[in-house]
Amino acid sequence: EPEVTQTPSHQVTQMGQEVILRCVPISNHLYFYWYRQILGQKVEFLVSFYNNEISEKSEIFDDQFSVERPDGSNFTLKIRSTKLEDSAMYFCASSEDRIINTGELFFGEGSRLTVL
Amino acid sequence: KNEVEQSPQNLTAQEGEFITINCSYSVGISALHWLQQHPGGGIVSLFMLSSGKKKHGRLIATINIQEKHSSLHITASHPRDSAVYICAGMNYGGSQGNLIFGKGTKLSVKP
Repeated sequence: EPEVTQTPSHQVTQMGQEVILRCVPISNHLYFYWYRQILGQKVEFLVSFYNNEISEKSEIFDDQFSVERPDGSNFTLKIRSTKLEDSAMYFCASSEDRIINTGELFFGEGSRLTVL
Repeated sequence: KNEVEQSPQNLTAQEGEFITINCSYSVGISALHWLQQHPGGGIVSLFMLSSGKKKHGRLIATINIQEKHSSLHITASHPRDSAVYICAGMNYGGSQGNLIFGKGTKLSVKP
């Protein structure tokens, strides 16, 4: 069964360092998303991406964050200068079409980021 | 502001029991997702509902648009159903990935 894969599963970094989290969405999917979940808190939307551009972003997704689809398969989330409060589980998700049309949203297993 | 509220926060059941998890949402939310978060953290989408009822195996989800309320039912619960169940609201506009997540209901099913 096709799945969304994320790497790394866990990354530990020093405050101020740049981090890139990688995702490989399901191959025929066109819509891509990043979410985060701080330990013990709700999942939060970060950004959605379609047709090689950001289609929507939340207030959390400030200038420290960027997303990119560098090739036909990967979808990356970059945090330029990590802060302690960036420590969270980051989930990538993808959908074949607009979610209202398919009702389907596929999540990866998450990348846990720990900022020291 | 769009909001999603879930209840109960924690739920413990005996194997075989019928389980109900509730979700209320605010004006502006047009559809709801029910998600399952495994103990390891991974998230699986169970249902998306904008009206009526959906069923998949032992899982049933209903939504009442007038009352802005949805329920997730699990029949004949099993220890493998132990997980956090999250409802998330969606607007028809925008990318639709901008989900408003509830805090989740942690379900523990005892053998």
